[in-house]
Amino acid sequence: SQTIHQWPATLVQPVGSPLSLECTVEGTSNPNLYWYRQAAGRGLQLLFYSVGIGQISSEVPQNLSASRPQDRQFILSSKKLLLSDSGFYLCAWSFIGEGTEAFFGQGTRLTVV
Amino acid sequence: ILNVEQSPQSLHVQEGDSTNFTCSFPSSNFYALHWYRWETAKSPEALFVMTLNGDEKKKGRISATLNTKEGYSYLYIKGSQPEDSATYLCFSYLGTDKLIFGTGTRLQVFP
Repeated sequence: SQTIHQWPATLVQPVGSPLSLECTVEGTSNPNLYWYRQAAGRGLQLLFYSVGIGQISSEVPQNLSASRPQDRQFILSSKKLLLSDSGFYLCAWSFIGEGTEAFFGQGTRLTVV
Repeated sequence: ILNVEQSPQSLHVQEGDSTNFTCSFPSSNFYALHWYRWETAKSPEALFVMTLNGDEKKKGRISATLNTKEGYSYLYIKGSQPEDSATYLCFSYLGTDKLIFGTGTRLQVFP
């Protein structure tokens, strides 16, 4: 069966520090991968998505970046965190194509202090 | 509509009340519409996937309808219970691979 792992579950980081959130998928190949963020009081915002290794589409210009070094690994990074980066980050995957369910990691609660 | 939108943003109902909310999506290039139930700090839980115009799906007290021609879906909850309190998300694919969520409807059911 397919599973998705996302870590860490919670993170408290000082302003200006780097960030690395990792997401890995098991049990499937060549999935679409997504990073979403929910800021306080807001809905889920698509940050990045990837349809293959090394292929990253950015939806929102900001100080975050994403990478997909392996087929089932998706990493969200920042060189210098801002207070506004605080929020709940969700990784998700779906099969390439349409009409299919998406599966989500457990999420990471990031607090930038 | 160029995005996925949900209304209302929040809803407060009494236990036993029935309620409904809306997801609007681009009707052109429609592929599928998904409804999820999301409790804060947890993974969203799949409720329904709907693909055909006129689709109606039901799971217990929750049901959903789909109108692809006009680009909307309704989610209904009959006889709301406090455990129904959550954010209800819909999403659709915009283009082949871009999975876009609505902002969600936050439902609170008071005993």
